[in-house]
Amino acid sequence: GIQVEQSPPDLILQEGANSTLRCNFSDSVNNLQWFHQNPWGQLINLFYIPSGTKQNGRLSATTVATERYSLLYISSSQTTDSGVYFCAVEGGPGGSYIPTFGRGTSLIVHP
Amino acid sequence: DAGVIQSPRHEVTEMGQEVTLRCKPISGHNSLFWYRQTMMRGLELLIYFNNNVPIDDSGMPEDRFSAKMPNASFSTLKIQPSEPRDSAVYFCASSPAAEQYFGPGTRLTVT
Repeated sequence: GIQVEQSPPDLILQEGANSTLRCNFSDSVNNLQWFHQNPWGQLINLFYIPSGTKQNGRLSATTVATERYSLLYISSSQTTDSGVYFCAVEGGPGGSYIPTFGRGTSLIVHP
Repeated sequence: DAGVIQSPRHEVTEMGQEVTLRCKPISGHNSLFWYRQTMMRGLELLIYFNNNVPIDDSGMPEDRFSAKMPNASFSTLKIQPSEPRDSAVYFCASSPAAEQYFGPGTRLTVT
Protein backbone atom coordinates (compact mmCIF):
# COMPACT_ATOMS: atom_id res chain seq x y z
CA GLY A 1 0.00 0.00 0.00
CA ILE A 2 0.88 3.66 -0.06
CA GLN A 3 3.57 4.83 2.36
CA VAL A 4 3.31 8.15 4.23
CA GLU A 5 6.27 9.81 5.93
CA GLN A 6 6.04 12.96 8.02
CA SER A 7 8.86 15.20 9.09
CA PRO A 8 10.14 16.34 11.43
CA PRO A 9 8.89 13.83 14.02
CA ASP A 10 9.26 16.40 16.80
CA LEU A 11 9.35 20.17 16.82
CA ILE A 12 9.75 22.67 19.66
CA LEU A 13 9.05 26.34 19.07
CA GLN A 14 8.82 29.60 20.95
CA GLU A 15 5.51 31.38 20.68
CA GLY A 16 5.48 33.60 17.61
CA ALA A 17 7.76 31.44 15.49
CA ASN A 18 6.84 30.02 12.10
CA SER A 19 7.16 26.38 11.07
CA THR A 20 6.74 24.03 8.12
CA LEU A 21 5.63 20.43 8.47
CA ARG A 22 6.11 18.00 5.61
CA CYS A 23 4.21 14.93 4.40
CA ASN A 24 5.74 12.73 1.71
CA PHE A 25 3.80 9.93 0.08
CA SER A 26 4.94 7.09 -2.12
CA ASP A 27 2.28 7.08 -4.85
CA SER A 28 -0.41 9.18 -6.48
CA VAL A 29 -3.23 10.20 -4.16
CA ASN A 30 -6.97 10.71 -4.48
CA ASN A 31 -7.36 12.53 -1.19
CA LEU A 32 -5.15 14.16 1.41
CA GLN A 33 -6.11 15.62 4.77
CA TRP A 34 -4.22 17.36 7.57
CA PHE A 35 -5.41 16.86 11.15
CA HIS A 36 -4.42 18.33 14.49
CA GLN A 37 -4.66 16.10 17.55
CA ASN A 38 -4.82 18.40 20.55
CA PRO A 39 -3.40 17.51 23.98
CA TRP A 40 -6.82 16.17 24.99
CA GLY A 41 -6.70 13.65 22.16
CA GLN A 42 -9.31 15.17 19.88
CA LEU A 43 -8.61 14.91 16.13
CA ILE A 44 -9.55 18.10 14.34
CA ASN A 45 -9.79 18.62 10.58
CA LEU A 46 -7.44 21.29 9.32
CA PHE A 47 -7.44 20.92 5.56
CA TYR A 48 -8.76 18.68 2.84
CA ILE A 49 -6.17 19.31 0.15
CA PRO A 50 -5.46 16.66 -2.52
CA SER A 51 -3.84 19.40 -4.60
CA GLY A 52 -3.24 23.13 -4.60
CA THR A 53 -3.03 25.62 -1.76
CA LYS A 54 -5.46 26.58 1.00
CA GLN A 55 -5.29 29.02 3.87
CA ASN A 56 -7.21 29.29 7.10
CA GLY A 57 -6.04 32.06 9.38
CA ARG A 58 -2.48 31.40 10.53
CA LEU A 59 -2.44 27.99 8.89
CA SER A 60 -1.96 27.19 5.24
CA ALA A 61 -1.26 24.03 3.28
CA THR A 62 0.10 23.19 -0.13
CA THR A 63 0.01 19.84 -1.91
CA VAL A 64 2.14 19.18 -4.98
CA ALA A 65 0.61 15.91 -6.07
CA THR A 66 2.98 15.42 -9.02
CA GLU A 67 5.95 15.53 -6.64
CA ARG A 68 4.20 13.52 -3.93
CA TYR A 69 4.37 15.86 -0.99
CA SER A 70 2.29 18.24 1.07
CA LEU A 71 3.36 21.04 3.39
CA LEU A 72 1.57 22.55 6.37
CA TYR A 73 2.64 26.05 7.37
CA ILE A 74 2.02 27.46 10.81
CA SER A 75 2.73 31.15 11.20
CA SER A 76 3.02 33.13 14.44
CA SER A 77 2.62 29.94 16.46
CA GLN A 78 0.63 29.97 19.70
CA THR A 79 0.67 27.62 22.67
CA THR A 80 -2.71 26.31 21.54
CA ASP A 81 -1.03 24.98 18.39
CA SER A 82 0.69 22.32 20.50
CA GLY A 83 -0.22 18.75 19.73
CA VAL A 84 0.36 16.21 16.99
CA TYR A 85 -0.20 16.98 13.32
CA PHE A 86 -1.18 14.08 11.08
CA CYS A 87 -1.29 13.75 7.35
CA ALA A 88 -3.69 11.14 5.92
CA VAL A 89 -3.82 10.06 2.29
CA GLU A 90 -5.90 7.82 0.09
CA GLY A 91 -4.48 6.47 -3.13
CA GLY A 92 -1.70 4.26 -4.36
CA PRO A 93 -1.95 1.32 -6.76
CA GLY A 94 -5.48 0.95 -7.99
CA GLY A 95 -6.55 4.24 -6.42
CA SER A 96 -7.48 2.88 -3.02
CA TYR A 97 -9.99 4.82 -0.93
CA ILE A 98 -8.64 3.34 2.30
CA PRO A 99 -6.99 6.11 4.39
CA THR A 100 -3.37 5.77 5.50
CA PHE A 101 -2.02 8.00 8.25
CA GLY A 102 1.53 9.14 8.78
CA ARG A 103 3.16 8.85 12.22
CA GLY A 104 2.66 12.55 12.84
CA THR A 105 4.73 15.56 13.87
CA SER A 106 4.63 16.35 17.57
CA LEU A 107 4.70 20.12 18.13
CA ILE A 108 5.32 21.89 21.41
CA VAL A 109 4.97 25.67 21.50
CA HIS A 110 6.45 27.33 24.57
CA PRO A 111 5.15 30.69 25.84
CA ASP B 1 -24.64 19.39 14.04
CA ALA B 2 -23.45 17.41 17.05
CA GLY B 3 -20.59 15.80 15.18
CA VAL B 4 -19.63 12.15 15.50
CA ILE B 5 -20.77 10.76 18.83
CA GLN B 6 -18.98 7.91 20.58
CA SER B 7 -19.81 6.10 23.78
CA PRO B 8 -18.57 5.34 26.29
CA ARG B 9 -15.76 7.90 26.48
CA HIS B 10 -13.82 5.71 28.92
CA GLU B 11 -14.06 2.00 29.56
CA VAL B 12 -12.13 -0.05 32.08
CA THR B 13 -12.71 -3.77 32.01
CA GLU B 14 -11.09 -7.01 33.07
CA MET B 15 -9.40 -9.39 30.71
CA GLY B 16 -11.88 -11.84 29.22
CA GLN B 17 -14.87 -9.52 29.37
CA GLU B 18 -16.85 -8.41 26.34
CA VAL B 19 -16.52 -4.76 25.34
CA THR B 20 -18.89 -2.88 23.03
CA LEU B 21 -18.02 0.53 21.65
CA ARG B 22 -20.68 2.63 19.98
CA CYS B 23 -20.67 5.28 17.28
CA LYS B 24 -23.27 7.61 15.80
CA PRO B 25 -21.98 9.18 12.57
CA ILE B 26 -22.88 12.62 11.32
CA SER B 27 -26.27 12.56 9.62
CA GLY B 28 -25.96 12.24 5.85
CA HIS B 29 -22.47 10.78 5.88
CA ASN B 30 -22.34 7.51 3.99
CA SER B 31 -18.92 6.25 5.08
CA LEU B 32 -17.85 5.19 8.55
CA PHE B 33 -14.41 4.20 9.81
CA TRP B 34 -13.18 2.58 13.02
CA TYR B 35 -9.57 3.30 14.05
CA ARG B 36 -7.35 2.27 16.93
CA GLN B 37 -4.57 4.50 18.26
CA THR B 38 -1.63 3.33 20.36
CA MET B 39 1.78 4.81 21.03
CA MET B 40 3.49 1.84 19.41
CA ARG B 41 1.43 1.56 16.22
CA GLY B 42 -0.05 5.01 15.76
CA LEU B 43 -3.45 5.32 14.07
CA GLU B 44 -4.58 2.07 12.47
CA LEU B 45 -7.69 1.63 10.36
CA LEU B 46 -9.68 -1.35 11.60
CA ILE B 47 -12.71 -1.38 9.32
CA TYR B 48 -14.43 0.82 6.76
CA PHE B 49 -18.18 0.83 5.96
CA ASN B 50 -19.80 2.45 2.96
CA ASN B 51 -23.60 2.72 2.91
CA ASN B 52 -23.69 0.40 5.94
CA VAL B 53 -21.76 -2.35 4.12
CA PRO B 54 -18.28 -3.39 5.33
CA ILE B 55 -15.89 -2.62 2.47
CA ASP B 56 -12.52 -3.38 4.03
CA ASP B 57 -11.94 -5.17 7.32
CA SER B 58 -8.35 -6.17 6.70
CA GLY B 59 -7.25 -4.10 9.67
CA MET B 60 -9.35 -6.01 12.18
CA PRO B 61 -6.71 -7.70 14.38
CA GLU B 62 -8.30 -11.08 14.83
CA ASP B 63 -11.57 -12.93 15.31
CA ARG B 64 -12.04 -11.40 18.73
CA PHE B 65 -12.96 -8.15 17.00
CA SER B 66 -16.23 -7.62 15.15
CA ALA B 67 -18.04 -4.56 13.83
CA LYS B 68 -21.57 -3.97 12.66
CA MET B 69 -23.50 -1.14 11.10
CA PRO B 70 -27.19 -2.09 11.26
CA ASN B 71 -28.33 1.30 9.92
CA ALA B 72 -26.97 4.61 8.69
CA SER B 73 -26.97 6.17 12.14
CA PHE B 74 -25.31 3.55 14.32
CA SER B 75 -22.28 1.30 14.43
CA THR B 76 -20.70 -0.93 17.06
CA LEU B 77 -17.23 -2.38 17.55
CA LYS B 78 -17.15 -5.42 19.80
CA ILE B 79 -14.20 -7.16 21.40
CA GLN B 80 -14.86 -10.58 22.87
CA PRO B 81 -12.93 -11.67 24.85
CA SER B 82 -10.89 -8.58 25.62
CA GLU B 83 -7.14 -8.76 26.35
CA PRO B 84 -4.73 -6.24 27.93
CA ARG B 85 -3.10 -5.64 24.53
CA ASP B 86 -6.43 -4.25 23.29
CA SER B 87 -5.93 -1.21 25.53
CA ALA B 88 -5.96 1.82 23.23
CA VAL B 89 -8.05 4.77 22.13
CA TYR B 90 -10.67 3.74 19.59
CA PHE B 91 -11.90 6.39 17.20
CA CYS B 92 -14.90 6.42 14.92
CA ALA B 93 -14.93 8.75 11.91
CA SER B 94 -17.54 9.49 9.27
CA SER B 95 -17.32 11.02 5.83
CA PRO B 96 -19.78 12.40 3.28
CA ALA B 97 -17.37 11.73 0.42
CA ALA B 98 -13.68 12.41 0.99
CA GLU B 99 -13.17 14.41 4.20
CA GLN B 100 -13.23 12.46 7.45
CA TYR B 101 -14.64 13.82 10.70
CA PHE B 102 -13.55 12.13 13.91
CA GLY B 103 -15.42 11.47 17.09
CA PRO B 104 -13.87 12.12 20.51
CA GLY B 105 -12.72 8.54 20.93
CA THR B 106 -13.18 5.84 23.56
CA ARG B 107 -10.24 5.18 25.85
CA LEU B 108 -10.25 1.44 26.60
CA THR B 109 -8.23 -0.06 29.41
CA VAL B 110 -8.19 -3.83 29.82
CA THR B 111 -6.66 -5.00 33.10
